[in-house]
Amino acid sequence: EIVMTQSPATLSVSPGDRVTLSCRASQSVNTKLAWYQQKPGQAPRLLIQSASTRATGVPVRFSGSGSGTEFTLTISGLQSEDLAVYYCQQYNHWKTFGQGTKVEIK
Amino acid sequence: EVQLMQSGGGLVQPGESLRLSCVASGFTFRKSWMSWVRQAPGKEPEWVANIKEDGSEKYYADSVKGRFTISKDNAKNSLYLEMNRLRGEDSAVYYCAKDGDGYPYWGQGTLVTVSS
Repeated sequence: EIVMTQSPATLSVSPGDRVTLSCRASQSVNTKLAWYQQKPGQAPRLLIQSASTRATGVPVRFSGSGSGTEFTLTISGLQSEDLAVYYCQQYNHWKTFGQGTKVEIK
Repeated sequence: EVQLMQSGGGLVQPGESLRLSCVASGFTFRKSWMSWVRQAPGKEPEWVANIKEDGSEKYYADSVKGRFTISKDNAKNSLYLEMNRLRGEDSAVYYCAKDGDGYPYWGQGTLVTVSS
């Protein structure tokens, strides 16, 4: 099983900040990497697929990068509605999720 | 607009059974791989099972293999998850999801609680 490790577990931020979330895979997943946003009581929402492609309707302040085992999700100019838990997921071999990064107000 | 409307779920005792349903609209269901994904409270989502477009291939997580059965009725645009011999560790919100590069579409989720 490919293990996905996210860091940090919690990120305390202020509106307008540039935020960087990290995700590491235990073996290469090429660019078969997705990012999700989840708010309380809601299903996860796909933000990024293929490591760097924004899903339909996702604001341009969300961007993804990386390949192989190291990936990054960047939020440029955090807005209050971006407070949520963010998960990475690999789909190169079956599908496994990271444990999540919670983005909260400082 | 893509919609995945779920039903089923609830409180059951260990060892009992439950069936979850998911009705799809807004996309060509018969041409789509579909999955069930679950999420225990405070945990990350976990893939449970998926099924090929025509139902000819099915795959399961080791934790549910032999107890859960995924099925698909393309005539009814419906996806099902039959869950038998339920355990406490199966308690979670269960989501149906359309497969793709990741999961682009999710149902609203349904809570399954296994407790005596």
